[in-house]
Amino acid sequence: DGGITQSPKYLFRKEGQNVTLSCEQNLNHDAMYWYRQDPGQGLRLIYYSQIVNDFQKGDIAEGYSVSREKKESFPLTVTSAQKNPTAFYLCASSIQGLAQPQTQYFGPGTRLTVL
Amino acid sequence: AQSVTQPDIHITVSEGASLELRCNYSYGATPYLFWYVQSPGQGLQLLLKYFSGDTLVQGIKGFEAEFKRSQSSFNLRKPSVHWSDAAEYFCAVGARGGYQKVTFGTGTKLQVIP
Repeated sequence: DGGITQSPKYLFRKEGQNVTLSCEQNLNHDAMYWYRQDPGQGLRLIYYSQIVNDFQKGDIAEGYSVSREKKESFPLTVTSAQKNPTAFYLCASSIQGLAQPQTQYFGPGTRLTVL
Repeated sequence: AQSVTQPDIHITVSEGASLELRCNYSYGATPYLFWYVQSPGQGLQLLLKYFSGDTLVQGIKGFEAEFKRSQSSFNLRKPSVHWSDAAEYFCAVGARGGYQKVTFGTGTKLQVIP
């Protein structure tokens, strides 16, 4: 079955540590996205990538980094510079939308907690 | 830039009752509109979308939504709610022309009582 997987489901981080969240898709989608979800704030875009080896900052990129070395994979690193990283992180993918936004398909999410 | 407002943070309905969740958007042209549903601790699932054409859109799980340009709205409806519909619902709007991100609303949490 095609879909998006995220791992781990739960992640605990000590202050000052970097952690990497995994996102893999087998939908053959070109575009991938990372969102952060906090209660009452909806989804906020962290980074997005329209094609391999290219990515763009979203609305809240500070303290985060990404890479897109393979079409299937778009890992997110939460660095120690992110002062309030406790949140639910969602990865999504879509076909390439050059002239219009395309339907995004979401993974099951990773809940990150800072201890 | 586009924006979307979901004025109801929390809604409670009885099982079998009808449901309407409100969504208002701000965008200068005809937008792309989406409704997603999220169960607790899970990702988002697309319920339906409007790109063009018929303004009444049918989706999965018996949901429908109507695009009303004059009211800048895209309300989600279901004639008879089931207990399994309890979840959080997100409206989203996307712009036309080049790459444009999708902006999500803050969500409406639906509680269904027996």
